Amino acid sequence: GAVVSQHPSWVICKSGTSVKIECRSLDFQATTMFWYRQFPKQSLMLMATSNEGSKATYEQGVEKDKFLINHASLTLSTLTVTSAHPEDSSFYICSASSTSGFQETQYFGPGTRLLVL
Amino acid sequence: AQKVTQAQTEISVVEKEDVTLDCVYETRDTTYYLFWYKQPPSGELVFLIRRNSFDEQNEISGRYSWNFQKSTSSFNFTITASQVVDSAVYFCALSEAGTASKLTFGTGTRLQVTL
Repeated sequence: GAVVSQHPSWVICKSGTSVKIECRSLDFQATTMFWYRQFPKQSLMLMATSNEGSKATYEQGVEKDKFLINHASLTLSTLTVTSAHPEDSSFYICSASSTSGFQETQYFGPGTRLLVL
Repeated sequence: AQKVTQAQTEISVVEKEDVTLDCVYETRDTTYYLFWYKQPPSGELVFLIRRNSFDEQNEISGRYSWNFQKSTSSFNFTITASQVVDSAVYFCALSEAGTASKLTFGTGTRLQVTL
């Protein structure tokens, strides 16, 4: 149980294009999903918290107009990197929050590697 | 503000050795959760354990064990009889109590297990 998928796993694009990444919880409903970014040999940095049916909450320093997040259903959240530039190249990971009883755990997707040329 | 410190950047051991990964945290919350995740070279984060702040019992799962000491704000992770497949980056993380709480990650410890 608690499986999270991401699509695509790899994307290479030209500078200036937009890229959409999907995050799905496959066997549970997730009211909240999280988007992280991880640069090589660094830790995960939270970008935003995505709540189903409402606007995402962005962390300080993350441009909400550049990283568009949509959480249209309890099993799907999307991150769109608009007008991507080489500095946006990174490993993007989503997680979905699953509650079992009173305990909650974030389960992570396999990640999406973005390379902007 | 919450903070997680993993002072060991990289550890290299020979297979079958025991290894302990350190994690020290800071929080003002009285109720919180601590986690360990494993990130193999493929990149996916694998959940290993969750511990709430009121449960200081140590836990053992196969070759894995965790030592939670509130007095020293530490949540250390030990792998017994390490194997090559244990090679990965291990992250310790902290979240406040409540639903859908943000995770604060440590910087990770890269474990290399060689034959």
